[in-house]
Parts: sequence; C-alpha cells; structure tokens
Amino acid sequence: GNSVTQMEGPVTLSEEAFLTINCTYTATGYPSLFWYVQYPGEGLQLLLKATKADDKGSNKGFEATYRKETTSFHLEKGSVQVSDSAVYFCALSANTGRRALTFGSGTRLQVQP
Amino acid sequence: GAGVSQSPSNKVTEKGKDVELRCDPISGHTALYWYRQRLGQGLEFLIYFQGNSAPDKSGLPSDRFSAERTGESVSTLTIQRTQQEDSAVYLCASSLGEGSSYEQYFGPGTRLTVT
Repeated sequence: GNSVTQMEGPVTLSEEAFLTINCTYTATGYPSLFWYVQYPGEGLQLLLKATKADDKGSNKGFEATYRKETTSFHLEKGSVQVSDSAVYFCALSANTGRRALTFGSGTRLQVQP
Repeated sequence: GAGVSQSPSNKVTEKGKDVELRCDPISGHTALYWYRQRLGQGLEFLIYFQGNSAPDKSGLPSDRFSAERTGESVSTLTIQRTQQEDSAVYLCASSLGEGSSYEQYFGPGTRLTVT
C-alpha cells in the first residue's frame, strides 16, 4: 500500500536558518504529493503540491521538488521565520482509485528568535 | 466564505458510550473525507463520500464506526461503544471534486477523549 515517511521532530532552528524536512514515499503509479502545515491552534492548510515528476511546488518561500528517482519530496526554505513554527505533514494522493490523502507522521518545527 | 466546520470541538465520553461527530463541508463541495489523528501521529483515512456514489469505507477501523452524509451537505461520524483507543482528533475535509487537483480543505477537528 501507499506510505509516507518523514523525518521526526522536533526540528529547532534559529531565525534565518535554512530548513530541510525530508519526506520519502512508497506508492504504486504516479501519486500527487503535498505538504500541509498546521499552525498552533489552527486547522491543516495546504502549503504546496506537485502532481508529476520534476514538478516544483512553492508557496510562502517554501519549495519542494517531486523526485521520482528517489521517491522524495523534501521541503526546503532558505530563511525561516518565527512565524513558520508549526507542524508540517507530507502527504500523497493516488491518481487512481481512492483519492484520500496518505499522511506522514508530521514534523514539528520550532524557530527561535 | 465559510470554511469546513465541525462540532463539537471537544468531547469527553465514558468508555462504552456512543458518540456522534458532525461535519459541515464548504457549500458546493461534492467530496467529503473523515480522518483520524492520534497523538503524535499522522492522519489516518477513515471514510470518503463523493456525490451520490457509494462511500469508500475502507479506512474504518471496526464495525463500531459508521458515517452518513445527507446529499452533498452535512456528514456525521458515529462511534458506538467507544474504547480508549478511539481517543484522537477527528478531522473532516471537503473538496470541490475527486482527484488530486482538488485541494482538500480541513475543518478544525473534534478532539475525542474516552475515559
């Protein structure tokens, strides 16, 4: 079946540091890949997505590239801010059959001033 | 416009009791999903409704769990004879249609605690 593995947290960084959160997946076919973010006290929000190999999703300074050869979708940001502190979830959706999302376990990011 | 809403936001119940959780999707969204998030874990898919098609119940963990949806509006998730392992945040999401090109919008969740 489909699965998503992402690095465990918490990840603690100083403001303006470079961020990488690793995500790898297992799926049949060619899934779509997503990063969702959950800010403290708020619901899950879509951060970015990529629907085919080599696509790069980007939003709010975050980027992730769909790498089919390494089955990865690592999240990066060049300079984090305190306001980026949140839990980040990598997820995939199969492009056939059930379209429900398969999530990783989440990575908590804490950015210190 | 209004997002996905869920009620109650918190529910504490005794083991063995039944609970009903409600989800109001965004108006016009034909697809509706229920997920469960246990502490420190990712979201697990429970059930999926798409228009008038038969729901995909493949994620329901046991026959104590059931869900209904009235047309393309409100959905209720019912857990009978609750157990402590049912304690989790139950999240509902809706989208305009089926497929990965349609973003899923999540509600704030219902935190269920079974004592």
